[in-house]
This record gives sequence, structure tokens and C-alpha cells, in this order.
Amino acid sequence: KNEVEQSPQNLTAQEGEFITINCSYSVGISALHWLQQHPGGGIVSLFMLSSGKKKHGRLIATINIQEKHSSLHITASHPRDSAVYICAVSDNYGQNFVFGPGTRLSVLP
Amino acid sequence: KAGVTQTPRYLIKTRGQQVTLSCSPISGHRSVSWYQQTPGQGLQFLFEYFSETQRNKGNFPGRFSGRQFSNSRSEMNVSTLELGDSALYLCASSWGGASNEQFFGPGTRLTVL
Repeated sequence: KNEVEQSPQNLTAQEGEFITINCSYSVGISALHWLQQHPGGGIVSLFMLSSGKKKHGRLIATINIQEKHSSLHITASHPRDSAVYICAVSDNYGQNFVFGPGTRLSVLP
Repeated sequence: KAGVTQTPRYLIKTRGQQVTLSCSPISGHRSVSWYQQTPGQGLQFLFEYFSETQRNKGNFPGRFSGRQFSNSRSEMNVSTLELGDSALYLCASSWGGASNEQFFGPGTRLTVL
């Protein structure tokens, strides 16, 4: 069983739709990160969470430590949101990253 | 503030050669981590350096090594290249490590022929 799992693997949405990407993990963590990777490779850190909920523009990230689950929500999706979204956790010592397999999102105009 | 820079951006090598990749972190960041990304394995953690010391290492063979200089710039070296080492190599810097926000460089795309 992978330590970090994401669902769905692939997601196609129409512009304006509300999108949810899920991440579940099996190890103890000090923080959970949501990353965005556009074609060409560049990775941008969207959120870092250790509890609760964070919001940045149209993006919202939540984490439930007891259930070892996090969600990334995109409201009013736009074609520029098309990217791979990666969930990563840092271990209890805060020194090691374990990555999920990524969710490939395509938002159609 | 300048972002994380990596050089070179693209590299083509042949099997058996060695390669050195460079990463310059954001000014003030003391932690530099290296990652390998391949289509088959996704993103995998290679190692992390903090104040010139390797603090943690992923599950990679000894052919993969690195170091960090006093100005926090880091290099990684891969010796005796294999075809399977073809990948995008990313570095990320942060103030303190994996529990802090990570700032990624653009990556070095290595092709081994």
C-alpha cells in the first residue's frame, strides 16, 4: 500500500465547475503540502497544512489529522487551473517528503 | 527576491558517464532538497542538506550523492549513469526543511543515451 494516495487520478471538468481532489496518507506527519505542476515541469507550492483549513483565492485546502485525509478544492475552475496536483507529506521529523502520484486536471473552456 | 535556480536546464549524457547538477536556493534558505521525477515512479525524495550537512537520504543507490556549500548552494552528482537515471531532477529550498514551505527550482532534465 502506498503511503500517500490520491483520487481521482485524472479529472476533466468544464470551466466554472467546483473541483475536489482527495489525498489520504498512512504515516504520521508533521505537515501536508499541496503542489501544482504545470506542463514543462515547474512546481509551485500551493498550501502547507498541519491542521484545519486554508484558503487562497479560489483554492481551499483542508486536512483531518484523525482521519489522515486532506482535500484540495478549486471553486469556479478555469482552464489555467489545468495542471497536475500533487499531495506530499513530511514525516514526523520534518525531514523527509513522500509524494502522492498526482491528479491530472484538465479544465475545458 | 530571486527564486531557486538550477543549472543546467537540459543535459544529455551517455551510459557510464557522470554528471553534476547545481542548485542555488533562495537567499536565507538553509535547507536544500533534491528530488527525481520519472513518468514511472513519479516524484521521489533523494536527499536533504541543511547547513552543509546531509540530514536525510531517500532510497537511492550510492551513485547518487550531493553536497552543500557554506553559501547554501548545493550540487548533486550521479556517477556511472544508467539509462534509468533519465529524469527531471528538481531541487527545492526552504528555511528549515520539509515542515516549511518549499520553493522549487525549474528542474534539470537529464537524458541518458
